[in-house]
Amino acid sequence: DTAVSQTPKYLVTQMGNDKSIKCEQNLGHDTMYWYKQDSKKFLKIMFSYNNKELIINETVPNRFSPKSPDKAHLNLHINSLELGDSAVYFCASSHKDREQYFGPGTRLTVT
Amino acid sequence: AQSVSQHNHHVILSEAASLELGCNYSYGGTVNLFWYVQYPGQHLQLLLKYFSGDPLVKGIKGFEAEFIKSKFSFNLRKPSVQWSDTAEYFCAVNARGGGADGLTFGKGTHLIIQP
Repeated sequence: DTAVSQTPKYLVTQMGNDKSIKCEQNLGHDTMYWYKQDSKKFLKIMFSYNNKELIINETVPNRFSPKSPDKAHLNLHINSLELGDSAVYFCASSHKDREQYFGPGTRLTVT
Repeated sequence: AQSVSQHNHHVILSEAASLELGCNYSYGGTVNLFWYVQYPGQHLQLLLKYFSGDPLVKGIKGFEAEFIKSKFSFNLRKPSVQWSDTAEYFCAVNARGGGADGLTFGKGTHLIIQP
């Protein structure tokens, strides 16, 4: 009955690899998001997406790309991983600008 | 663009003490306001939210927050904290009616409750 789920929970990979993180929500929300939480716990929006628009935080490298096969899913693809990409990535969803519900997070470690 | 400032980065209290965590935001328009809590190793959970109406909002686990528009503030309070309140607390805002707009978070307050 998990509202927002992410897989995998942990991801360890080497520099230069390409990886994906999956996110699914069963809340019927129209908007989904990806956030990055760094080692100091600071949370920063990466992408916002509904069926009409994709909003990209201008500071996000173009190695990161969201893919939405349908309204319930927003996957995160990362190309050419770098050491600085190590962080916890959270998916979230909401109905328009209302409260957001977060997934359990994916801890990415790039070696 | 919005910005959020949380004044206290680390707070240590004893059980039963009263808590107030400060949050100020900067934005030229109307905002929605949120407090989230992150227990160690867990995801973010919504504590409370303000969209409109009564500026004093009550959330889960005995928390409340007051929106003071003139001060651009949304401080979090709890009359008597418990050891289980040890966590990271985040204030967040988004633009009301902003569509697919993400939350802007403060840098968080690490709260430690000593038994």
